[in-house]
Amino acid sequence: GESVGLHLPTLSVQEGDNSIINCAYSNSASDYFIWYKQESGKGPQFIIDIRSNMDKRQGQRVTVLLNKTVKHLSLQIAATQPGDSAVYFCAEENSGYSTLTFGKGTMLLVSP
Amino acid sequence: EAQVTQNPRYLITVTGKKLTVTCSQNMNHEYMSWYRQDPGLGLRQIYYSMNVEVTDKGDVPEGYKVSRKEKRNFPLILESPSPNQTSLYFCASSLSRQSNEKLFFGSGTQLSVL
Repeated sequence: GESVGLHLPTLSVQEGDNSIINCAYSNSASDYFIWYKQESGKGPQFIIDIRSNMDKRQGQRVTVLLNKTVKHLSLQIAATQPGDSAVYFCAEENSGYSTLTFGKGTMLLVSP
Repeated sequence: EAQVTQNPRYLITVTGKKLTVTCSQNMNHEYMSWYRQDPGLGLRQIYYSMNVEVTDKGDVPEGYKVSRKEKRNFPLILESPSPNQTSLYFCASSLSRQSNEKLFFGSGTQLSVL
């Protein structure tokens, strides 16, 4: 949405660079994590997920890394393109409670 | 096309005038949910529904009502809107609310309460 980008940390990269977006989660009992992409004027879209029994998962041009020791999640985007410009946020879930908690997001700006 | 449809896309209203934001999904999903998104606060859950006639409060339910009379529809009702309900609202659905069932979001409703 139009107001989503206000007050968000911003990562600016050049087209073709690799991008790394970080997320610190709060609940040590969370066992499922998701990254979402939200383009301006649109709803969030699923990108990639990871369960807590894994520390790395790869998709098409994206990789998610999970470090449970420090409760940290990262999203790596390879060869970033202008179409990747969006707000990215993580979500965590304790599968015993089935309630997603969303992070506040990071705005990624990709310059041609 | 599989989708979650919200209406209206934009709404400007005045304090106290009842309004309804509609949400419909065509994927036969059991689980539906409403979120509000505010700058600096991220997405917060208002209400959710695990199935027809089953609804429950999320994190910020005050001032909102929902109903789930049919599987495909989950309207959000503001009986007496106030300016602090000015926000971007999203409806979402998934097959169930078991972990790893992907959540599909609508395009959002930008509400301004004057």
